[in-house]
Amino acid sequence: AQRVTQPEKLLSVFKGAPVELKCNYSYSGSPELFWYVQYSRQRLQLLLRHISRESIKGFTADLNKGETSFHLKKPFAQEEDSAMYYCALYNFNKFYFGSGTKLNVKP
Amino acid sequence: DGGITQSPKYLFRKEGQNVTLSCEQNLNHDAMYWYRQDPGQGLRLIYYSQIVNDFQKGDIAEGYSVSREKKESFPLTVTSAQKNPTAFYLCASTQATNEKLFFGSGTQLSVL
Repeated sequence: AQRVTQPEKLLSVFKGAPVELKCNYSYSGSPELFWYVQYSRQRLQLLLRHISRESIKGFTADLNKGETSFHLKKPFAQEEDSAMYYCALYNFNKFYFGSGTKLNVKP
Repeated sequence: DGGITQSPKYLFRKEGQNVTLSCEQNLNHDAMYWYRQDPGQGLRLIYYSQIVNDFQKGDIAEGYSVSREKKESFPLTVTSAQKNPTAFYLCASTQATNEKLFFGSGTQLSVL
């Protein structure tokens, strides 16, 4: 069965510090993975997807098939990055979400 | 203004009552989804629909029902069989099934 695990419920860092939000998945095929973000009082929205290999708002995520991970990284956190982050996996018309990590960037 | 609209924002259900949550989109998306969000559990899939007049159960469909009579609309009914309905419900849509999901603003359902 497909499963997405985000081990950290809360991650607090200081402004300017590096950030890594962890995501591990279990899936036997070639996964399609996404990161979604929900800022305060806003809707859940796509941050990035692995097939695009893009950097959005300074965030990147690399798919590591050997470790079955898709960690989200940013070298220098900003206060406006404070939000709830969800890792998601797509398979056979379904999107599976992790339990989410709340990122708190302190000034 | 294109988007996906959920109503109502807050809903209260009495014991034994069925309630229906509305989800409408004007994005011309084919696929629509219903998720339930509980604290600390992320989003769990209730039902999804790829085309009009067709829908499939997700991981936690028991106690819920849906219909897809129009492309724009995908209402969710929480039936009396759902014994623990208190949760935040999110509707989402996407043009192609592996493209990004667009989410509504959600409905908070509580039991009186």
